[in-house]
Amino acid sequence: EPEVTQTPSHQVTQMGQEVILRCVPISNHLYFYWYRQILGQKVEFLVSFYNNEISEKSEIFDDQFSVERPDGSNFTLKIRSTKLEDSAMYFCASSGRRSTDTQYFGPGTRLTVL
Amino acid sequence: SQQGEEDPQALSIQEGENATMNCSYKTSINNLQWYRQNSGRGLVHLILIRSNEREKHSGRLRVTLDTSKKSSSLLITASRAADTASYFCATDSNTGNQFYFGTGTSLTVIP
Repeated sequence: EPEVTQTPSHQVTQMGQEVILRCVPISNHLYFYWYRQILGQKVEFLVSFYNNEISEKSEIFDDQFSVERPDGSNFTLKIRSTKLEDSAMYFCASSGRRSTDTQYFGPGTRLTVL
Repeated sequence: SQQGEEDPQALSIQEGENATMNCSYKTSINNLQWYRQNSGRGLVHLILIRSNEREKHSGRLRVTLDTSKKSSSLLITASRAADTASYFCATDSNTGNQFYFGTGTSLTVIP
């Protein structure tokens, strides 16, 4: 069964460094998302992406964040200058032909900012 | 805020019993989804119910949706120890472009 994959599974970085989290969505999906979950808290929406542009973003998704679909298969989340409070699990998700279709989540990348 | 809120926050039952979790939300939706998350792991999609549906079944799972009360319930019948996990409801925004997750119900099934 097709699945969303994410790399790396765990990323440790120093405060102020840039990180890029990678996701490979399900191949025929058209809608892509990033979420984060701070330890012990709820899953929070960051951004949705369709047709090579951001369709919606939350207040969390400030100028430090950017997304890209560089090659038609990968979907990346870049955090330009990481802060301690960026430490969280980051989940990528994709959905099919409609934005209201089921979202399938990847296993997540645990980001630890020291 | 559109966020779904689950209750109870924690539920502990014996294996074989049924588990019921509830979700309430605030504004109109296109659909509502239930997810499961094992500790420290990713989210596994369980079931999606659309706003024009009232009930849906999938194996031991039964989901109901009452749009007049802005609430949904997830019933797991004949629970197993392997059902131990956190369960989240997620509602979509008016545009359908983002999903709002609740704080989840932590279910423990005691063997």
